[in-house]
Amino acid sequence: NAGVTQTPKFQVLKTGQSMTLQCAQDMNHNSMYWYRQDPGMGLRLIYYSASEGTTDKGEVPNGYNVSRLNKREFSLRLESAAPSQTSVYFCASRPGTGDNQPQHFGDGTRLSIL
Amino acid sequence: AQSVTQLGSHVSVSEGALVLLRCNYSSSVPPYLFWYVQYPNQGLQLLLKYTSAATLVKGINGFEAEFKKSETSFHLTKPSAHMSDAAEYFCAVSDFTGGFKTIFGAGTRLFVKA
Repeated sequence: NAGVTQTPKFQVLKTGQSMTLQCAQDMNHNSMYWYRQDPGMGLRLIYYSASEGTTDKGEVPNGYNVSRLNKREFSLRLESAAPSQTSVYFCASRPGTGDNQPQHFGDGTRLSIL
Repeated sequence: AQSVTQLGSHVSVSEGALVLLRCNYSSSVPPYLFWYVQYPNQGLQLLLKYTSAATLVKGINGFEAEFKKSETSFHLTKPSAHMSDAAEYFCAVSDFTGGFKTIFGAGTRLFVKA
């Protein structure tokens, strides 16, 4: 019962480097989400994918891109990392967007940009 | 637009004392409300959810929350705190106007003193 798996767990980048954060879920969920968590700000939605083949911007999409590779996998890419993107990134999934079911979260990727 | 306000970024209680974590929401339509808990270096886990059935909702680990429409509140309580309850707690709201995207509060860190 893996649920939502995120890789890597930790990463340190230099300003300007690129990186892809990986997320996979094994619950056959349609909807997947990427959040960032910063102290005192809760979770802010970066991008989401309502279903395979669709992606949409969330609250804070600037500086990020996403790919819904298939139903299981949803990746987040930083093309040119900036110190302001230092954060903890969480991937989550849910059965669908048209429901009120809670989200299932991965354990996060802790990203530091120097 | 939806919003969530958690009163108090930090709450400290003694072991065995009542836990009360406050959450007020804003939604133009009947909301769905959630409480999540986050332990160190982990993702968020669902504690309980309100989806328009009973106004008093019971969750895991002895927590419960009461939906009060007149006060737009969904406060989380536990009669007797345990050391293992020390964690960060997030209140969240979603409704169909936002495509069931979830808005999270800033979080309240609970400290439990021996």
